[in-house]
Amino acid sequence: NAGVTQTPKFRILKIGQSMTLQCAQDMNHNYMYWYRQDPGMGLKLIYYSVGAGITDKGEVPNGYNVSRSTTEDFPLRLELAAPSQTSVYFCASSSPNRANQETQYFGPGTRLLVL
Amino acid sequence: GNSVTQMEGPVTLSEEAFLTINCTYTATGYPSLFWYVQYPGEGLQLLLKATKADDKGSNKGFEATYRKETTSFHLEKGSVQVSDSAVYFCALVGRAGGTSYGKLTFGQGTILTVHP
Repeated sequence: NAGVTQTPKFRILKIGQSMTLQCAQDMNHNYMYWYRQDPGMGLKLIYYSVGAGITDKGEVPNGYNVSRSTTEDFPLRLELAAPSQTSVYFCASSSPNRANQETQYFGPGTRLLVL
Repeated sequence: GNSVTQMEGPVTLSEEAFLTINCTYTATGYPSLFWYVQYPGEGLQLLLKATKADDKGSNKGFEATYRKETTSFHLEKGSVQVSDSAVYFCALVGRAGGTSYGKLTFGQGTILTVHP
């Protein structure tokens, strides 16, 4: 049971380039989330999904896109990278079990530097 | 909207010292409250949680009590160890009507360093 996995661990992008951050979970969780963590700012929700084919915006969605074609995968797409997107990105998932629904399991993160 | 405020860090303690990290929140309804911990180079992991007023969450010697009257969820540990050095995040899931979908609102995090 690998939990939540993210790739790559680290990436440097030039302004205007695009990339996809990968996230996968093997716990059969319905809910998945993308957060960004900026220094001293805590985590901000970018997008979330409540199941395959269903996604919705979080607090800071501008400049990002997501898709959820399977229960396991929830990739995050940056179309035109900007320096403001330099951050650490975390993917998380939570259990469909109602009692544990609110406990999120986090991946190890992707550190992105846009120059 | 919902918000979480944590005490400013960083916090530096000697081993076996008492730890308190303050957390207050603003939310409508009856949120669930969490403490997550992030060890160096890792993702966040749940430390403890409380889902209703007066509940006490506890794990690994850490405790926090859900105080609705003061809208607080302060984290405490009686005797910290070097291995407790990490970033601690207070967070909530709001329940103001409808389904929250488990969306977390985080505080800014508090860096804790424990010296031998």
